[in-house]
Amino acid sequence: AQSVSQHNHHVILSEAASLELGCNYSYGGTVNLFWYVQYPGQHLQLLLKYFSGDPLVKGIKGFEAEFIKSKFSFNLRKPSVQWSDTAEYFCAVKAGNTGTASKLTFGTGTRLQVTL
Amino acid sequence: GAGVSQTPSNKVTEKGKYVELRCDPISGHTALYWYRQSLGQGPEFLIYFQGTGAADDSGLPNDRFFAVRPEGSVSTLKIQRTERGDSAVYLCASSLRASGSSYNEQFFGPGTRLTVL
Repeated sequence: AQSVSQHNHHVILSEAASLELGCNYSYGGTVNLFWYVQYPGQHLQLLLKYFSGDPLVKGIKGFEAEFIKSKFSFNLRKPSVQWSDTAEYFCAVKAGNTGTASKLTFGTGTRLQVTL
Repeated sequence: GAGVSQTPSNKVTEKGKYVELRCDPISGHTALYWYRQSLGQGPEFLIYFQGTGAADDSGLPNDRFFAVRPEGSVSTLKIQRTERGDSAVYLCASSLRASGSSYNEQFFGPGTRLTVL
C-alpha cells in the first residue's frame, strides 16, 4: 500500500519569500502525484498533478512541483508567496496501475501561514 | 455549475446513535468517493463507487460503516452505533468516469462535520 509523508506541519513565511513544501511517498510501482490546497473555509481543490513526462509540473497560481523518482519526492515550490496563499496544502498519491478513477492517499498536510 | 454538495454541514449526535450523511455529486459524474478527515490529518479513503456499485470499499473501518448509491447519483454514508472516535469531517468527491489514460479530477465537497458526544 502507498503512503505519503509531509514533514513540514506548519510553515510561516513573510510575503515575497520563497516556498518549498516537502512530500515523500512510499510505493514500489508507478505513481500519480498530486498537490491539493484548502483555503480557509473552502473545499479541497487540485493545485497540480504529475502523471508522466516532464517531471517539473506547473499548476495554478504560480505553483510548481518536481517529481524526483530516485528520492520518492514531489516537493511543491513557489518563488514568491502572497498573503492569499495562506492555506493548508496536501500531497497525495495514487497507484498508477489502477486506472484513472481510484482512491487517493493523502499526507497529513502542511499549514502555510503568510504574513504581511 | 453546481459543485459537489453535502448535507448536513454539521451533525452532532450521541454515542450509540445512527447517522446518515448525504452527498450530491456533480451532474454527470459517475465516480463518487467518500473520505474521512480527522483533526490534524489528511483525508483518508473510505469507499469508492463507479455507478451504483462499490468498486472499492477497502477503507471502511468496520461493519458499522456502510454506503449506498442506489441510482448512481446521490450517495448516503451510514454509520451505526456511533462512537466518539467517529468524530471527523466526512468528505465526498466525484469525478467523470475513467476513460483512456486521461485523469479525471476528483472534485471535493465542503464536507460534513460529525461530532459524537
